Amino acid sequence: DTAVSQTPKYLVTQMGNDKSIKCEQNLGHDTMYWYKQDSKKFLKIMFSYNNKELIINETVPNRFSPKSPDKAHLNLHINSLELGDSAVYFCASSRKPFKRHRAEDEKLFFGSGTQLSVL
Amino acid sequence: KNEVEQSPQNLTAQEGEFITINCSYSVGISALHWLQQHPGGGIVSLFMLSSGKKKHGRLIATINIQEKHSSLHITASHPRDSAVYICAASNTGNQFYFGTGTSLTVIP
Repeated sequence: DTAVSQTPKYLVTQMGNDKSIKCEQNLGHDTMYWYKQDSKKFLKIMFSYNNKELIINETVPNRFSPKSPDKAHLNLHINSLELGDSAVYFCASSRKPFKRHRAEDEKLFFGSGTQLSVL
Repeated sequence: KNEVEQSPQNLTAQEGEFITINCSYSVGISALHWLQQHPGGGIVSLFMLSSGKKKHGRLIATINIQEKHSSLHITASHPRDSAVYICAASNTGNQFYFGTGTSLTVIP
């Protein structure tokens, strides 16, 4: 069983479209994340979310929005896609609860990535 | 200047060599992560450290909190160790700061 699964693995779409990437974790973790990896392989956090708090990286355009129907899912919606959105998007989770936690709760478990190509 | 700096950016080694990748950070952290990304693209967490040293097989990670520095060592390197190794610092506020990665190639 895949611990953190995201779909689709590849997404090719036209500029201006709206698309979603889904992420699910079966680890019982409290916190989920979305990361963007650019063409130079540099990772940047976009969002972190648990069932209490959403933390948004202020550099992320508001065309990107996370949606969490429940603790095990954090989907990424992207409106009005632009060429510069082309990248690999990784979902991840950690055990980290909302309140006091231990350092080992921060260990990350990644999905396999979604390669988004905007034409 | 990036909050997390890694060196070297690229590293080529002969099979069997001892490898060290360095990571320095300038922010307050609660944990330091070492991640591995293989050419296929998947990312795996190798270590998460808040102090001291951890060992897993041929991999050893150390952290010096006072000096804000961490190292990843690979003993008896093997071609299957070829990957990008990424250092990341996290804090209790769920902020993550990533290094630019070290691309390691181990030649048979």
